[in-house]
Amino acid sequence: QSALTQPASVSGSPGQSITISCTGTSSDVGDYKYVSWYQQHPGKAPKLIIYDVSNRPSGVSNRFSASKSGNTASLTISGLQAEDEADYYCSSYTTTSTLLFGGGTKLTVL
Amino acid sequence: QVQLVESGGGLVKPGGSLRLSCTASGFTFSDRYMNWIRQAPGKGLEWVSYISSGSTYTNYADSVKGRFTISRDNAKNSLFLQMNSLRAEDTAVYYCARAQQLGPEWFDPWGQGTLVTVSS
Repeated sequence: QSALTQPASVSGSPGQSITISCTGTSSDVGDYKYVSWYQQHPGKAPKLIIYDVSNRPSGVSNRFSASKSGNTASLTISGLQAEDEADYYCSSYTTTSTLLFGGGTKLTVL
Repeated sequence: QVQLVESGGGLVKPGGSLRLSCTASGFTFSDRYMNWIRQAPGKGLEWVSYISSGSTYTNYADSVKGRFTISRDNAKNSLFLQMNSLRAEDTAVYYCARAQQLGPEWFDPWGQGTLVTVSS
């Protein structure tokens, strides 16, 4: 299966909001509520920031929010901070009982 | 606190084998699905495999099916990945990650990763 489609890069200034899209198909993103998002800083392991489309784990800032419409999921980060600069990945469960990641999006805080 | 520690990575020749381990602590290991995920140098994340809490269910990415085998020892809080017929494209940092009790659908937390390099 092909990876989910994310923009390679996005950028924003401190205090602004940005949105990262994650496009799949009716066999993955469109068929399940099991979309998750991960933040990865350079040289570090990824960290879960959203699960089940729009739920935040305990301890994750409420500046992170997410949603899904059809085959596309979206992650929004509001009130951008320098520490948000990282790579972001979406993931989805699929109809073949496997997992898929997006190609990743590099967020630059200007 | 919840902790996952991978080990077993290293340099191996194409066609060779390697066994990765992941030791868990801070939670009831036997209750959770577990996953292996990899990241080639400078590239994105790729899901590799998962195993259910009681080892009943396993699944693999097409890229490793038939070459890799996931297993676990709940008595020792350990997860394993047996990797055979290794190829250059298997070179990556391999992470183990905890999933839910009822399914493998998200990963939290992740270990620090172990680097596997396949090269002659």
